Amino acid sequence: GENVEQHPSTLSVQEGDSAVIKCTYSDSASNYFPWYKQELGKRPQLIIDIRSNVGEKKDQRIAVTLNKTAKHFSLHITETQPEDSAVYFCAAVAKESNYQLIWGAGTKLIIKP
Amino acid sequence: DAGVIQSPRHEVTEMGQEVTLRCKPISGHDYLFWYRQTMMRGLELLIYFNNNVPIDDSGMPEDRFSAKMPNASFSTLKIQPSEPRDSAVYFCASSSSEGIPQPQHFGDGTRLSIL
Repeated sequence: GENVEQHPSTLSVQEGDSAVIKCTYSDSASNYFPWYKQELGKRPQLIIDIRSNVGEKKDQRIAVTLNKTAKHFSLHITETQPEDSAVYFCAAVAKESNYQLIWGAGTKLIIKP
Repeated sequence: DAGVIQSPRHEVTEMGQEVTLRCKPISGHDYLFWYRQTMMRGLELLIYFNNNVPIDDSGMPEDRFSAKMPNASFSTLKIQPSEPRDSAVYFCASSSSEGIPQPQHFGDGTRLSIL
């Protein structure tokens, strides 16, 4: 079955700098890759997603890249702000797993003022 | 649009009591998921339904846990009898199969404390 690994587990960056979180997946049939942000005490919220027919997607300061050959995808946050501090989860979906999300373990992003 | 609605938001009860968590998915969504989140184990999928039918309950930790979806707009997760180690945040999420795959949308969760 699918396995998703996420790195790093904790990332501390200076406000205004960029942050990059990386995930690898094992099932080459996976075709959908969402990213969720979870602030302390709140629910996971979808912030961006990418499908396997696209290599990159951008939404303001957030971008996701996908390398199907290497089976990895990354979240890029530019010009980080204090409100970006949260736990970020990547996930992968494959038809063979009946479209359930296979989650990464999460990255705690800390933005230092 | 109303999102996924969970109740109660907080539940504190004594060990051995029955606990029932409730979820109303987004209208039109045909997938419903129950998750448990703890610091130690992270986010765990407990069970999910498609068109009100349980598809995979392999994540349900013990027979003390049961889930039902009697109709497209309501699901329950029941713990009987409850134990302190069941203390966690329980999330319900729903998604649509139209144009699958589609993202899951989470409710605000139920914070459960078993004393």
